[in-house]
Amino acid sequence: SYELTQPPSVSVSPGQTARITCSGDTLSKQYAYWYQQRPGQAPVLVIYKDSERPSGIPERFSGSSSGTTVTLTIGGVQAEDEADYYCQSGDSSATYLVFGNGTKVTVL
Amino acid sequence: QVQLVQSGTEVKKPGASVKVACKASGYTLTSYNLYWVRQAPGQRLEWMGWINPGNGNTKYSQKFQGRVTITRDTSASTVYMEVSSLRSEDTAVYYCARGKIDYYYGMDVWGQGTTVTVSS
Repeated sequence: SYELTQPPSVSVSPGQTARITCSGDTLSKQYAYWYQQRPGQAPVLVIYKDSERPSGIPERFSGSSSGTTVTLTIGGVQAEDEADYYCQSGDSSATYLVFGNGTKVTVL
Repeated sequence: QVQLVQSGTEVKKPGASVKVACKASGYTLTSYNLYWVRQAPGQRLEWMGWINPGNGNTKYSQKFQGRVTITRDTSASTVYMEVSSLRSEDTAVYYCARGKIDYYYGMDVWGQGTTVTVSS
């Protein structure tokens, strides 16, 4: 089985940069995906294949990868970015998937 | 537009089964796997399994193997997820989501979620 570990919370002031890490052995070989989940809503894909941004996702969302850690960066944080963020990965064929424990981003 | 619309809230007793539906529209059903993800109150997202609607192939998380069954009705563009032998720990919001079959680009469209409450 795979495990992905995220910090429980990150706090950031409006206009500043938020960085959320996700660590796990599988990340050195497999891609990571990031989802934003606002309270009471379904998740939304914000980054795929470590650093690609789906259409419609603001440019302030970016992703990077180094070894067994991937990072979601939100530049110029806005109040609407306050949400839970989950990383996700899996095996080589994406047959078996796993989510991280989630990070709550609070905009001060 | 592309949509996944799920069936409504369910309340079940322990030991019962529940079947949640996910109706797809706005795209070719057989081009995407349908995934099921659940979220217990205050907890993380948890992957349960997926189905290839074209050929009916399924994969399940080891945690749910034997207790969860995912099926499809292509004529109705609908995928179903059934959980048997329900217990209180199965109280959660259940989501369906799609992902490309030929190459995984993440789950790009999600249903609105179905709340399942298990209580005596």
